[in-house]
Parts: sequence; structure tokens; C-alpha cells
Amino acid sequence: GNSVTQMEGPVTLSEEAFLTINCTYTATGYPSLFWYVQYPGEGLQLLLKATKADDKGSNKGFEATYRKETTSFHLEKGSVQVSDSAVYFCALEAGSARQLTFGSGTQLTVLP
Amino acid sequence: GAVVSQHPSRVICKSGTSVKIECRSLDFQATTMFWYRQFPKQSLMLMATSNEGSKATYEQGVEKDKFLINHASLTLSTLTVTSAHPEDSSFYICSAGDGTDTQYFGPGTRLTVL
Repeated sequence: GNSVTQMEGPVTLSEEAFLTINCTYTATGYPSLFWYVQYPGEGLQLLLKATKADDKGSNKGFEATYRKETTSFHLEKGSVQVSDSAVYFCALEAGSARQLTFGSGTQLTVLP
Repeated sequence: GAVVSQHPSRVICKSGTSVKIECRSLDFQATTMFWYRQFPKQSLMLMATSNEGSKATYEQGVEKDKFLINHASLTLSTLTVTSAHPEDSSFYICSAGDGTDTQYFGPGTRLTVL
């Protein structure tokens, strides 16, 4: 079956630090890959996505590259801000049912 | 961007009562809606997938008679937790798909069963 393994948190960084949150996946076929973000008290929001190998998704300074050879989709940001504090979920979608499989989530706290 | 609303945002009920949660896509037609359950500090667990006008497909281990899902229109799906018990207390989240690979999530409903 499909699965997503995500770096365990919590992660605490100082403002302007470099961020990496690791995500690897197992899937049949060719999944689409996503990063969702959940800010405190809010619902999940799509942060970025990539639909095929070597695609790079990017948004709000965050990037992730779909690496088929390593089955990975690591999230990176060069300089985090306090406002980036949230829970980040890696997810994949495979098959015609459009169902998402989520990783366990990584809590990020950015200190001023 | 696409907006999905959920109502209520939080509900407290007595054990044995039923609770209905609504999920609406506000500015697009949702061909498919999904219901998730999220436990504290854990990931989202898919409960069921519903397509407009047809019966929902439940994930393994989810009781379909306890968690009734109705997807009566392309903009509305409801989840009814029947005869709720304290162990049903959780954060319930819906999402709506527009036919592409992207899902749009509602803000969630916090259910507390006393």
C-alpha cells in the first residue's frame, strides 16, 4: 500500500535559519506529491505540489523536488520566519480515487 | 482560491446523542468529498470518500452505521456521528476535490462528547 514517512518533530529554529523537513514515500504507480501546512487553529492549506519526477514545487519561499530515484520530496526554505511556525504534512495521491495519504506531520516553531 | 467551509467549528454533546457536521464548497463544485479524523498531535486519517449522489466508500475499520455520510449535492456533504461516545471526541476535517489532484480542506470541527 501507499505510505509517507516524514521527519519527526518538533523542529525549533531561529528566524532566518535554513529549514529541511524530510519526506519519503512508498507508492504503486506514479503518485502526485504534496506539502500541506496547518497554522494554529486553522485547516490544512496546500503549500506546494509536484506531479511528476524532477518537478519542483515552490510557494512562499518553500521548495520541494520530486525525486523518483530516492522516493523523496523534502521540504526546504532558505530563511524561515516566525510566521512559518505551523505543522507541515507531506502527502501523496495515487490512483483514480484521488485519496491522499498523509505523513505524521512535523511541528515547526520559529523563534525570533 | 477555492474555499471549503465546515459547520459547526466546535460542538459539545452528551453521550448517546447524534451530531451532524456540514461541509460546503463555496465557490466550486466538488465532485468528491473526503472526511478525515485527526487525533491530537497526529496525522489525518481518512475515514471515507463520498461522491455526489452515490454511497460513500468507507476505509477499513470505520463503522459506516456510526459515521453516516450524505453527499446530496455538488457543494454539500454531511457527516453524522450517531450515538456519540467519548471515544468519538476528535477533530473532524473535510476536504473537497474539484476533479484535479488537489483537495481543498475545511477548517475542521472539534467534537467533544461528554
